[in-house]
Amino acid sequence: GAVVSQHPSWVICKSGTSVKIECRSLDFQATTMFWYRQFPKQSLMLMATSNEGSKATYEQGVEKDKFLINHASLTLSTLTVTSAHPEDSSFYICSARDRHTEAFFGQGTRLTVV
Amino acid sequence: QQQVKQSPQSLIVQKGGISIINCAYENTAFDYFPWYQQFPGKGPALLIAIRPDVSEKKEGRFTISFNKSAKQFSLHIMDSQPGDSATYFCAANSGGYQKVTFGTGTKLQVIP
Repeated sequence: GAVVSQHPSWVICKSGTSVKIECRSLDFQATTMFWYRQFPKQSLMLMATSNEGSKATYEQGVEKDKFLINHASLTLSTLTVTSAHPEDSSFYICSARDRHTEAFFGQGTRLTVV
Repeated sequence: QQQVKQSPQSLIVQKGGISIINCAYENTAFDYFPWYQQFPGKGPALLIAIRPDVSEKKEGRFTISFNKSAKQFSLHIMDSQPGDSATYFCAANSGGYQKVTFGTGTKLQVIP
């Protein structure tokens, strides 16, 4: 299957700082990328959907000013958690698809805010 | 709104046994039903998927059974192995650019 690479795999940051997570499609052009959040022992909750060159569409209850999503190219999307707080600690997962395939998932990023 | 309900929440199966996970959906616009396998600390990986025009799909030890009228589908893992121990998520979407809606997950443990 197609490869979606997420970086970093884990990150620890201080409360109040911002952290950026990258999601890259390595062998296909991702016209659409999705960002999910997963708490321990829970399912994946969609945060936002982004189409290349367009503004992201956020799910209800997700603060767009806190979780900044940029999908500037067909192979890269970034999620920036601004002014992170301990309650933002979670497992963040991206997925990507082109027009013809199902979505493929990255390996996830474990964010810990201390 | 939980659009895809999944059961059981956890499952323990002996090696060689059959693992069965069930899901039910509400949205009749869904037309693609994938199953994902997730190991701790990793992203989910597509295991097998089905479209509603067929009632069953088999890939190796994994089989999806689909009942369109009942809006239910299930995953059967034959000859379950300890390496199958993971969390399994059913999902659904309506194709195109639509988002994937996940079930609540089933933690499977296969004991020797």
